[in-house]
Order: sequence, then C-alpha cells, then structure tokens
Amino acid sequence: GAVVSQHPSWVICKSGTSVKIECRSLDFQATTMFWYRQFPKQSLMLMATSNEGSKATYEQGVEKDKFLINHASLTLSTLTVTSAHPEDSSFYICSARPGQRGYGYTFGSGTRLTVV
Amino acid sequence: GESVGLHLPTLSVQEGDNSIINCAYSNSASDYFIWYKQESGKGPQFIIDIRSNMDKRQGQRVTVLLNKTVKHLSLQIAATQPGDSAVYFCAENIRVRDDKIIFGKGTRLHILP
Repeated sequence: GAVVSQHPSWVICKSGTSVKIECRSLDFQATTMFWYRQFPKQSLMLMATSNEGSKATYEQGVEKDKFLINHASLTLSTLTVTSAHPEDSSFYICSARPGQRGYGYTFGSGTRLTVV
Repeated sequence: GESVGLHLPTLSVQEGDNSIINCAYSNSASDYFIWYKQESGKGPQFIIDIRSNMDKRQGQRVTVLLNKTVKHLSLQIAATQPGDSAVYFCAENIRVRDDKIIFGKGTRLHILP
C-alpha cells in the first residue's frame, strides 16, 4: 500500500533556530502534499498545500515566511520552521494522495517538535 | 456514555459492545468523507471512506452512515476491542474544488474491560 515517511519523528531545538521536517512518498509520486499541525487533545489543522515545482498554498493565518515549504521532487516535500519559538511546539503531520482526487489520503507518522 | 472534555469528547464503551461515533461536518458542498483513527503519538490511519452519492458503506467491522440532509456522519464499530481505543476523526473534502482534507473535532474512544 501507499506509504508516506516522515523524518524526524521527534526533534528538540532551541528558540531562534530553524528545524526542517521531511515528508517522502515511498512507493508513489505525489504532485501535492499537505502539512498539518496538531496541538495536544485537538484536531489536525491544515497549514498548507505543497505543490511540486511551484509555490505552496497557505491556509489563512499561517505565516508563509515562518513555515517554509519546498516540494522539489515528486516524492519529497519539506517543511522548515524558521526562528522557532516555544509556541511552535506541536505535532506536525504530512499527507499525500496516491491516486486520483477523492480516493484516499495517506498520512505520515508525524514529527513532534519541542522548542526550548 | 459520552462526555465532553476540554477539547475532545470521550465515548466509553464496554468491550464487545458496538460503538457509534458521530460527526457533524461543516460544508454542504463536501462530497467525499473519510474516517481516520489516530493512536497516541502517531499519524492518522485510514479506516473507511464514503462518497456523497452513497448513504452507507460497510467495511470489516465498521460501517459509515452519511446523512446529507443534516450534514451528519457516523462510524459504527462492531464488537469493540481494546485495540480500537484511539481518537477518531471524520474528514471532508470537496473533490471538484481541491484536494484539501479538512478534519472534524474528533472523539476519543475508551474501551472499558
């Protein structure tokens, strides 16, 4: 089945530093990937849509200069949290759609980011 | 019984009983719906999906019901097992518009021994 791999699974960084999270589709090509953020005991909130070869589309209220998204190939999207602050601590999850629109979305295992 | 916590409502069910998890979706234009299961510290896991031209779909031990009139989805889990303990989310998509999957609030399912 379709597998989305996310790395790292957890990371701790100091305030002011940047952190990069990778999302890979292992056995399929994904022109579109999605990045979500999830705070404890809450639902997943869509942050942005990552488009291969073009700019990402950000949801309202998400700072594009803070959350840099790069989708340079059909199997890799990266999310960089720049100048991280403790309030950016969260669970970040990516997803991709293996087939045509409207047929199943596969999620990565998530990255727990803690900013100290 | 069902209770509403600070963020996620919790449904407590006796092992072996059937569970029914409800979801009210937001957009009447949504035409594709998915149920996900999320265990602690993991990403969401696909359970079952349904398109708006159907009102019921069955999988292995799970059934999804869709009522478009009142914008309501439910997930029924038969013979609930300890391994079913997790948070369950419904998600919606408008296929003709875009690829975005928007998640509902979620329900924690707690299995009583």
